[in-house]
Amino acid sequence: QVHLVESGGGVVQPGTSLKISCAASGFNFGGFGMHWVRQAPGKGLEWVALISYDGTRTYYADSVKGRFTISGDHSKSTLYLQMNSLRVEDTAVYHCVKDLGGALTDRYGMEVWGPGTTVTVSS
Amino acid sequence: QSLLTQPPSASGTPGQRVTISCSGSSSNIGSNTVNWYQQFPGMAPKLLIYLDDRRPSGVPDRFSGSKSGSSASLAISGLQSEDEADYYCATWDDSLSGPWVFGGGTKLTVL
Repeated sequence: QVHLVESGGGVVQPGTSLKISCAASGFNFGGFGMHWVRQAPGKGLEWVALISYDGTRTYYADSVKGRFTISGDHSKSTLYLQMNSLRVEDTAVYHCVKDLGGALTDRYGMEVWGPGTTVTVSS
Repeated sequence: QSLLTQPPSASGTPGQRVTISCSGSSSNIGSNTVNWYQQFPGMAPKLLIYLDDRRPSGVPDRFSGSKSGSSASLAISGLQSEDEADYYCATWDDSLSGPWVFGGGTKLTVL
């Protein structure tokens, strides 16, 4: 059974950095891509970033490009999101999500979701 | 403003059939598959439909997906009170460097 648990969220000031993590279990972490998706309070879902199953391809939403970095440690089955130059509008629940497609394609989309970790950017 | 347009709300009575639309373009729905997600308040989203019309194991066959051209639809038949939730469509967009996009979401109310 796929299990994803995010951690590392908190309250930070604008302009600072934060790194959140996602511990994965129940599947071959190295065989599937992984996403970060966020949801601001009272708002809809916003896709943030994707890393391919082998870590060779990364994709970012325009809203975070150049500020956020997605990475994975296959030895620890853990996904990360390094967030720099944080803005008030980055305040959201951040979900780690297992991809459907694995090595076949990056285009199948999000499958299993973690419960999320809350990031609040406020002065 | 999302590239995928969903009605903000939909409603139906128990037993009815309800359809939620997701309108896109040739660069997204027109050339890629669509997934649908169900989200209850305070909970993580759950995959409901993938690859346009496939149901993951455990999803009731009351839920079905379809696609025609640059639009997709989620249909819920035999509506039940526990179907009251937010529903989102998502797909890959070929015109974006950050390719995944969600619709704005539809809040389904069971009257």
